[in-house]
Amino acid sequence: EVQLVESGGGLVQPGGSLRLSCAASGFTFSSYEMNWVRQAPGKGLEWVSYISSSGSTIYYADSVKGRFTISRDNAKNSLYLQMNSLRAEDTAVYYCARDGEWELGDAFDIWGQGTMVTVSS
Amino acid sequence: DIVMTQTPLSSPVTLGQPASISCRSSQSLVHSDGNTYLSWLQQRPGQPPRLLIYKISNRFSGVPDRFSGSGAGTDFTLKISRVEAEDVGVYYCMQATQFPPAFGQGTKVEIK
Repeated sequence: EVQLVESGGGLVQPGGSLRLSCAASGFTFSSYEMNWVRQAPGKGLEWVSYISSSGSTIYYADSVKGRFTISRDNAKNSLYLQMNSLRAEDTAVYYCARDGEWELGDAFDIWGQGTMVTVSS
Repeated sequence: DIVMTQTPLSSPVTLGQPASISCRSSQSLVHSDGNTYLSWLQQRPGQPPRLLIYKISNRFSGVPDRFSGSGAGTDFTLKISRVEAEDVGVYYCMQATQFPPAFGQGTKVEIK
């Protein structure tokens, strides 16, 4: 079964750090581009970051640039998001999402269940 | 950056009746390769998003044929031909033609 499972969320104080992980299974992880998408409580979806299949190309949303770092370990079938200098407005459910095959036109075809990050004192 | 605008934001519908959601982009979503990278996602209550439609009108694997997508350029539509109880949730359009990817605000579909 194709699956993405996030972990690492929790409660952190403003200015703190957290590292999220996304474990992939059921597909050849190293062949796919990956993304992080977040959803603040009661709000819509916001794209956060992208990483190419090899890890050589990375993009960030302006709202997290300079504070968050995306990475991957293809040998471990895992995607990561290192979050530093966290702010209250970073409070959200964080999803990892797979960029689909070429024919899907970069649609996000597989999503994890999400992990909740709460930034509060 | 491209801004995606959905209307309506809320759509109360009667079971068995059709529903329609509009999505408009601030710029054309036609890529230089000729494709239009507009997709639709469904998010049921308490669930992660799920891909329904890709490249305007192509249903993803396992998506019922009561869902259909149409449009071109900057104007797109998701239609549900006959709403069922399991269709309750929030629907998002998303563009991937240009970085950064962007989502619409979401349209909540609920039963009257």
